[in-house]
Amino acid sequence: DAGVIQSPRHEVTEMGQEVTLRCKPISGHNSLFWYRQTMMRGLELLIYFNNNVPIDDSGMPEDRFSAKMPNASFSTLKIQPSEPRDSAVYFCASSLHSEQFFGPGTRLTVL
Amino acid sequence: KNEVEQSPQNLTAQEGEFITINCSYSVGISALHWLQQHPGGGIVSLFMLSSGKKKHGRLIATINIQEKHSSLHITASHPRDSAVYICAVRRPSTGNQFYFGTGTSLTVIP
Repeated sequence: DAGVIQSPRHEVTEMGQEVTLRCKPISGHNSLFWYRQTMMRGLELLIYFNNNVPIDDSGMPEDRFSAKMPNASFSTLKIQPSEPRDSAVYFCASSLHSEQFFGPGTRLTVL
Repeated sequence: KNEVEQSPQNLTAQEGEFITINCSYSVGISALHWLQQHPGGGIVSLFMLSSGKKKHGRLIATINIQEKHSSLHITASHPRDSAVYICAVRRPSTGNQFYFGTGTSLTVIP
C-alpha cells in the first residue's frame, strides 16, 4: 500500500484565496483525521471521520474551515478565505483500529 | 495548563547513550501514543499503550496509569534517532480525540 497520500505537498497562496487540501487514506481504514501543526501550538486535531461521517469537529478553528469525506477513499479540508495565521503543516492520518498512519503533510503558506 | 506535559523539551546525547523522555498527563485516558517526527516532517506512530510496557527494537515505552506518567526509552542511541518525539493521549469520553504534548527534540551526536 502507498500509505496515506496528501496533495499538494506545498501550497503558497495569498490572503483571501480559497485553499483545498486533499487526502487519500489507506485502503480499508475506517477513520480519518485532519491535524494542523504550528511552531506555537504544536499538533492539533481539527476533525475526524469514522466511516465517512464527521464525529468531532470541535478542533476546527472557525467557520472558514470545512472538511468533507464523500467516500471512503477521499477527504478534503477547505479554507475559505485563507488568512496568514492559517500557515501551518496540515497532516491527514487514517486508522483501522488504534494505530494511526500519517500522511507526509501539506505545508501551507498564506501570504 | 496543557493536559499533556513532556520533558525535557530539548535533549542532546552522545551516540550510544541511554535516553529517557517523559510524559505526564492530567486527565483520564483510554490510551497513550508515542509518535516520532523526523526532520523531514513525516510522523510515525511508535507505540500505543494502555498499560504496562512495550518494546520494539531499541525502543521501550512504559506507562503508569496510577501516576499518569509514561516514559520512552532509547537504548544505544544512534544519530538516526534524532527526531522530535511526541506524546499523545486519547480520552475515553471523547472517542478518538487526541491531546498532544509539545514534543521533545532529540539530537544524537556521533
